[in-house]
Amino acid sequence: DAGVTQTPRHEVAEKGQTIILKCEPVSGHNDLFWYRQTKIQGLELLSYFRSKSLMEDGGAFKDRFKAEMLNSSFSTLKIQPTEPKDSAVYLCASSPTGNTEVFFGKGTRLTVV
Amino acid sequence: GQQVKQSSPSLTVQEGGISILNCDYENDMFDYFAWYKKYPDNSPTLLISVRSNVDKREDGRLTVFLNKSGKHFSLHITASQPEDTAVYLCANSGGSNYKLTFGKGTLLTVTP
Repeated sequence: DAGVTQTPRHEVAEKGQTIILKCEPVSGHNDLFWYRQTKIQGLELLSYFRSKSLMEDGGAFKDRFKAEMLNSSFSTLKIQPTEPKDSAVYLCASSPTGNTEVFFGKGTRLTVV
Repeated sequence: GQQVKQSSPSLTVQEGGISILNCDYENDMFDYFAWYKKYPDNSPTLLISVRSNVDKREDGRLTVFLNKSGKHFSLHITASQPEDTAVYLCANSGGSNYKLTFGKGTLLTVTP
């Protein structure tokens, strides 16, 4: 069964680079989420799409983080420019509809040097 | 501010005991409450969830208690086993915005 697919699994970037993370949600799911996971802050919501429409863009993450969903089966998260403090695991998740189980991808581990 | 708060970053329980994990929230519009389990280097997976129209839900060794007036919900794990050792994340959503907001997690360690 095809769960949430994220690529790449690992990414190393130099400070100031632009990186693009990719996500394919579970087929038929309406909601898509991007989270950042760190040991200190836990899971922080970056962006939330409902039926491809951006519902939330994560407030504090607005300036260098941009998520897009050009079609219902593909989303990207662009970080531009990257900074060392962006080093974290980035998780994409999808859900059939609101207030139901959210399914997570395996994540992309980003290291910015 | 932190909308969903797990005040205990860690909890240690002996095998066979009851593990009690707690979560407080701020927004009384929340109507969906969930507990996720996360092993190291793995993504969270849903354990159990409940909607605001019930105060309690049981599923095997797991029970979720919801105290709406106190803006608090908890997860009880009976007969705790070493395999239950993991990070437990509470989460909730509701109102007009269905985004799922997570607590920072509680590391449960069950000792043999």
